[in-house]
Amino acid sequence: DVKVTQSSRYLVKRTGEKVFLECVQDMDHENMFWYRQDPGLGLRLIYFSYDVKMKEKGDIPEGYSVSREKKERFSLILESASTNQTSMYLCASTSAGSGTYEQYFGPGTRLTVT
Amino acid sequence: AQSVAQPEDQVNVAEGNPLTVKCTYSVSGNPYLFWYVQYPNRGLQFLLKYITGDNLVKGSYGFEAEFNKSQTSFHLKKPSALVSDSALYFCAVRDSNTGFQKLVFGTGTRLLVSP
Repeated sequence: DVKVTQSSRYLVKRTGEKVFLECVQDMDHENMFWYRQDPGLGLRLIYFSYDVKMKEKGDIPEGYSVSREKKERFSLILESASTNQTSMYLCASTSAGSGTYEQYFGPGTRLTVT
Repeated sequence: AQSVAQPEDQVNVAEGNPLTVKCTYSVSGNPYLFWYVQYPNRGLQFLLKYITGDNLVKGSYGFEAEFNKSQTSFHLKKPSALVSDSALYFCAVRDSNTGFQKLVFGTGTRLLVSP
């Protein structure tokens, strides 16, 4: 089974702090994604990566950056956390060669910025 | 642009009754459609997908979905609901505008199954 893990389940940070959220997958997937989930808005794509050191902006990249130095690891960075970034963050991965688009999700990180 | 709509924020059903969670889509080209479920404080779990073939797709936990091209719908169904089916359900569609394997998700429908 594909396993996607995220570094923290719950995180509380102060406004202005730099925040790192990490995601690791163990199935050698090329594509990795970061979403944020908010009530009534569903899942919105922040950034995705299709290869090591490659990244593409999603629908809501403002205030975020990403890093992918190794194939299995994809990090989301909040350069200066703000209260409007309080949310559930979900990481996902998928195989580029599968052709089926099915994404596998981690358990999520609930981030609270105070 | 590709999109999916889930018109109901919440669906209430009694245990043992059939359930339907609605999803309509708008795509260019052939639709790849998905249903995911999210239990409290968990990530999303894949339930089923339609890419091609039979319009009735069977998935995990007894769920199935019916693809209807003329109505551009992909409704999730189960013949007999369980209390444990209570969760948040997301419909998604492939974003065919890019070469990357992106999905576009709906806003989610909360299913509440009462005993």
